[in-house]
Amino acid sequence: EVQVVESGGGLVQPGGSLRLSCTVSGFTFTNAWMSWVRQAPGKGLEWVATIKGDGSETYYVDSVKGRFSISRDDAKNSVYLQMNSLRAEDTAIYYCATETMSNWGQGTLVAVSS
Amino acid sequence: QAGLTQPPSVSKDLRQTATLTCTGNSNDVGNQGAVWLQQHQGHPPKLLSYRNNDRPSGISERFSASRLGNTASLTITGLQPEDEADYYCSAWDTRLRAWIFGGGTRLTVL
Repeated sequence: EVQVVESGGGLVQPGGSLRLSCTVSGFTFTNAWMSWVRQAPGKGLEWVATIKGDGSETYYVDSVKGRFSISRDDAKNSVYLQMNSLRAEDTAIYYCATETMSNWGQGTLVAVSS
Repeated sequence: QAGLTQPPSVSKDLRQTATLTCTGNSNDVGNQGAVWLQQHQGHPPKLLSYRNNDRPSGISERFSASRLGNTASLTITGLQPEDEADYYCSAWDTRLRAWIFGGGTRLTVL
């Protein structure tokens, strides 16, 4: 059974930083594309970032380019999302998803507020 | 990065059939196909259909996906109360190099 577990969310002030982690088990992590998707309160799903299976390329939604960075550590079956210069509009549940959105974690809540 | 187009809501009677649509363009749905996700209130999304319209293990045969040109469809037969949820489509845009989501369709089973 595939398990996806996100962590690292919390309350942060505008302009602050957070690093989200996602650990996957029961799944061949190596060479798997991994993505972060977020959902603001009461809103729909919004793709945030994706990293290629070999880590050679990363892709971001326009609104986070230059502020967020996705990375991976295959030895730990983990993918990360470094979030800098956080804004109120980044407040959301952040989900980690495998490959073609096949498996999702429970999400981790990021709240940006003063 | 414009989204895929989904109707905001669909209502159908119990045991009837619902067909949800998702319209994109030749760079996303028309190129790579769409995935379909189901999300119950307070829960994470769950994959219902891969881009090639196959179902993951454990997904009921009542859910079937198809695609015609730039429009993907999810058909749910024999509607049950537990089918009441939000349904999202998503596709990889080969030009933008981005996942694009639809706004979601809230399915109500009457």
